[in-house]
Amino acid sequence: EAQVTQNPRYLITVTGKKLTVTCSQNMNHEYMSWYRQDPGLGLRQIYYSMNVEVTDKGDVPEGYKVSRKEKRNFPLILESPSPNQTSLYFCASSGSGTALYGYTFGSGTRLTVV
Amino acid sequence: DQQVKQNSPSLSVQEGRISILNCDYTNSMFDYFLWYKKYPAEGPTFLISISSIKDKNEDGRFTVFLNKSAKHLSLHIVPSQPGDSAVYFCAAYLNTDKLIFGTGTRLQVFP
Repeated sequence: EAQVTQNPRYLITVTGKKLTVTCSQNMNHEYMSWYRQDPGLGLRQIYYSMNVEVTDKGDVPEGYKVSRKEKRNFPLILESPSPNQTSLYFCASSGSGTALYGYTFGSGTRLTVV
Repeated sequence: DQQVKQNSPSLSVQEGRISILNCDYTNSMFDYFLWYKKYPAEGPTFLISISSIKDKNEDGRFTVFLNKSAKHLSLHIVPSQPGDSAVYFCAAYLNTDKLIFGTGTRLQVFP
């Protein structure tokens, strides 16, 4: 089954404790992206990657890091999480030429930073 | 600065009637526009799209209209069904490598 898999689905952590949210896709997609969803703000892009070893900032990159060492994986790293990073996070992927069909999204990771 | 706006946070419609969800945008360079549907505890799923060179696209009960002069698009669902109850996001592609989302409209279809 073609899918984007995020782990974990739920995470509660404390301020300053480094964490990684994993994202993997099995569709051989070049493009991957991370979004966060907050009430009243919709989905905002954090980082995206056009292909292996190519990453770029989205609209809200502060406090996040990403890496794209393999085509299928695009982990999101919070080096020192803060309470304002409490949010619902989505990973998404897209193959080239699929602009009309948008992205395939993972099921989300709900992160709480206390 | 919100480039894609959905000014109605919620909409309630009776089953069988038409649902109209609206979206406004500010950037005339957007290539494509898309609508996504999101159920609780799931990721958004693609619903329908339209190229910036067209003004209408239809897929079953779903039709998207684009008015470029007004920088406005709308999603019509006819007839509305209870299973359509979800949050709907409009989104716009910029140079085909950036997808910008609106804030979402929660649609509730009641019997």
